[in-house]
Amino acid sequence: GQNIDQPTEMTATEGAIVQINCTYQTSGFNGLFWYQQHAGEAPTFLSYNVLDGLEEKGRFSSFLSRSKGYSYLLLKELQMKDSASYLCAVTDSNYQLIWGAGTKLIIKP
Amino acid sequence: NAGVTQTPKFRILKIGQSMTLQCTQDMNHNYMYWYRQDPGMGLKLIYYSVGAGITDKGEVPNGYNVSRSTTEDFPLRLELAAPSQTSVYFCASSYSVANTDTQYFGPGTRLTVL
Repeated sequence: GQNIDQPTEMTATEGAIVQINCTYQTSGFNGLFWYQQHAGEAPTFLSYNVLDGLEEKGRFSSFLSRSKGYSYLLLKELQMKDSASYLCAVTDSNYQLIWGAGTKLIIKP
Repeated sequence: NAGVTQTPKFRILKIGQSMTLQCTQDMNHNYMYWYRQDPGMGLKLIYYSVGAGITDKGEVPNGYNVSRSTTEDFPLRLELAAPSQTSVYFCASSYSVANTDTQYFGPGTRLTVL
């Protein structure tokens, strides 16, 4: 079956760095997304990786290793507004988008 | 641009009642999607559409129906509400094909079936 694994919850301190991991087992691969979802709100796009390596976008970076079925989202200089759930989603060989359950990130002062 | 809009924001239904969740996008996107999100679970695709007049089932279509008469609108119909349909429903749209493009989500409809 197809599966995406993310930690359920993580806690970090304001100003620090946190890495949220995502591992996937899917039938093929055509890209990996990260979305941010604040409580009670809709998901919003953060990043898209289709090739191996690191994509940097301001305080957020996303890394992909297709051979390992692994990605991470790196958040630097954490702010209280970064408290949210972070959703990992993979497009498989049939171009179906498979979603992980999300990682709830709690930022403490 | 308003982006993707959904109505209503909240709704309580009794078992067996019917309702339509409305979704409209003003970005001229061909691709539209309906998801449900249960607590602690990933988004599950209910139905999707690749253009006006074309719809297809997703992962969890039972108990739902859709139509796509225009590019802008993609309503979701619940015919006989059941408690298992209590969830948050998100409509989304994208410009490009096949889940390799950013999806833009509406604010969601929180549905409770009692």
